[in-house]
This record gives sequence, C-alpha cells and structure tokens, in this order.
Amino acid sequence: AQSVTQPDIHITVSEGASLELRCNYSYGATPYLFWYVQSPGQGLQLLLKYFSGDTLVQGIKGFEAEFKRSQSSFNLRKPSVHWSDAAEYFCAVGGTGGGNKLTFGTGTQLKVEL
Amino acid sequence: KAGVTQTPRYLIKTRGQQVTLSCSPISGHRSVSWYQQTPGQGLQFLFEYFSETQRNKGNFPGRFSGRQFSNSRSEMNVSTLELGDSALYLCASRDQREGPGELFFGEGSRLTVL
Repeated sequence: AQSVTQPDIHITVSEGASLELRCNYSYGATPYLFWYVQSPGQGLQLLLKYFSGDTLVQGIKGFEAEFKRSQSSFNLRKPSVHWSDAAEYFCAVGGTGGGNKLTFGTGTQLKVEL
Repeated sequence: KAGVTQTPRYLIKTRGQQVTLSCSPISGHRSVSWYQQTPGQGLQFLFEYFSETQRNKGNFPGRFSGRQFSNSRSEMNVSTLELGDSALYLCASRDQREGPGELFFGEGSRLTVL
C-alpha cells in the first residue's frame, strides 16, 4: 500500500529565510508525486507535481521540489519565504494508473515570523 | 472561469440524520472526486466519478455514497450520520486531458454532527 510521511507537523521560519519541507513516500513503482497547499478556510491548491524526467521540478509561487528515488523523498523548497506562504502543506502520492485517488501525508503547518 | 463550487459551506446535523453535499466542477471538467478531511485521519479519498460512472472508491462504509449527473455536477450523501462523520468534505475536479492527480479543489463543506 502506498503511504506518505511528513515528519514535521509544525515549522516556523522567519520571513526571507529559506524553507525545506520534508516528504517521504512508500510506493511499489514509480509514483506520481504532488505538493498541495491549503490556506485557512480554503481548499487545496496544487503547487507542483512530478511524473517523470527531470527530478527537480518547479512550481508556482517560487516553490521547487526534488525527487530522490534512492531516498524515497520529495522535499519542497523555497529560497526566500514570504509571510503569505503561511499555510498547511501536503505531500501526496498517486498511482501511475491515473485518476484522482491520492494518498496524502498528514501535512506540515508553516508559520512565518515577521 | 469559475472554480469548483461546493454547497452548502457549513451545516449542522444530528446523529442518525442524513446529509447531501453538492459540487459543481470547473466548466469542462468531467472528473470529480471527493475527499474527507479530519484532524485525526487527515485527507482521505472517498470516491471518484467520470461521465456519471464511479471509477474508484475509498475505504468508507456504505453509508457514504455519491453520484454524478450528466452535466458533471456531483453529489455525495451520508446516511445515518455518526459523530465521527464531522469533517470538511472537499470536492475536486480534473480535466481528463491533464495529468492524473492534478486536482482543483473547492473550499469544502464543513459538516458538524451533534
């Protein structure tokens, strides 16, 4: 069965500092990997996705993520955090069979200090 | 283009009642899926519909059901409500021409069961 682990429940960074959110997955084949963000009272928004090819993927809002097969990881990074980035971030894995069935991690709550 | 619209946004029910939630996908999106979000269990996949057919179903009891209409709008129903059904129910739509897992989420319907 596929699973996703986000080891950090809460992270606090200062505005302008760099950010890395960790994600580890378990999947029997090459997975489809995603990062979604959820602001308070909102639905989820797709930040970026990895299907295949270049292991460093760029997303919206200046985010990027790197797929490392050897470590079963797909960590999210941003060089300089803005106060508006405060939100909850979810890593997700989907099967190559396609479709909408994603397995989400438990999320990382990001707080940005001004 | 309007986003995914979910109604109602908030509702309160009592144990034993039933509830119907509605979702209007983004225009042109024929794939709709539903997720349950709770503090304890996180985001869990409920089901997925495409062209009025259920394509996939998560591990939820039969009290949870859904359907999709010819205009791609979807409803989900929960019968004999239990306290544990209190959650944010998120609907997501997808353009089948895009990659799997690229979901556009609504803001959700927050159900409280008393």
